Amino acid sequence: SQTIHQWPATLVQPVGSPLSLECTVEGTSNPNLYWYRQAAGRGLQLLFYSVGIGQISSEVPQNLSASRPQDRQFILSSKKLLLSDSGFYLCAWSPGTPYNYGYTFGSGTRLTVV
Amino acid sequence: GDSVTQMEGPVTLSEEAFLTINCTYTATGYPSLFWYVQYPGEGLQLLLKATKADDKGSNKGFEATYRKETTSFHLEKGSVQVSDSAVYFCALDTGGFKTIFGAGTRLFVKA
Repeated sequence: SQTIHQWPATLVQPVGSPLSLECTVEGTSNPNLYWYRQAAGRGLQLLFYSVGIGQISSEVPQNLSASRPQDRQFILSSKKLLLSDSGFYLCAWSPGTPYNYGYTFGSGTRLTVV
Repeated sequence: GDSVTQMEGPVTLSEEAFLTINCTYTATGYPSLFWYVQYPGEGLQLLLKATKADDKGSNKGFEATYRKETTSFHLEKGSVQVSDSAVYFCALDTGGFKTIFGAGTRLFVKA
């Protein structure tokens, strides 16, 4: 069966520090991968998605970046965190096809920038 | 462009009450429709889905019917429990690599 792992679960980082969040998927090949952010009490904001190794699409210009160095690994990074980067970060995957499968989400990383 | 509109929350109900959370959509083509649930401090979980008009998705006592004529996919449950307290997201997918999510509706169920 397919599983998705996301870590760390909680992170407190000072302003200006770097960030690296990792997400891995098991039990499937060539998944579509997604990074979302959810501000407190708000909906989901799509940050990045990837349909293959090295292929990253950015939805929102910001100081975050994403990389996909391996088929089932998706990394969210920042060189210098801002206070506004605080939030709940969610990784998700879906099969390349069919598109009506739906998403499977990780358990999330709660990031607090202080 | 494609969009999803959900009723604003929070929705507060007593245990065993009937639940309806409204969801309407705008989309070109023939989207698949989804409901996701997010319990406090957790990621989203797929609750149910429907892939074509008149399909009914159901799971854990929740159900929703894909109504093309009214472009709606309302979530219903006949008798809610305290454990159903969560945020519910309606979503659509037209196959363009991205799912469109609604803003979410928070449900509180009182004992």
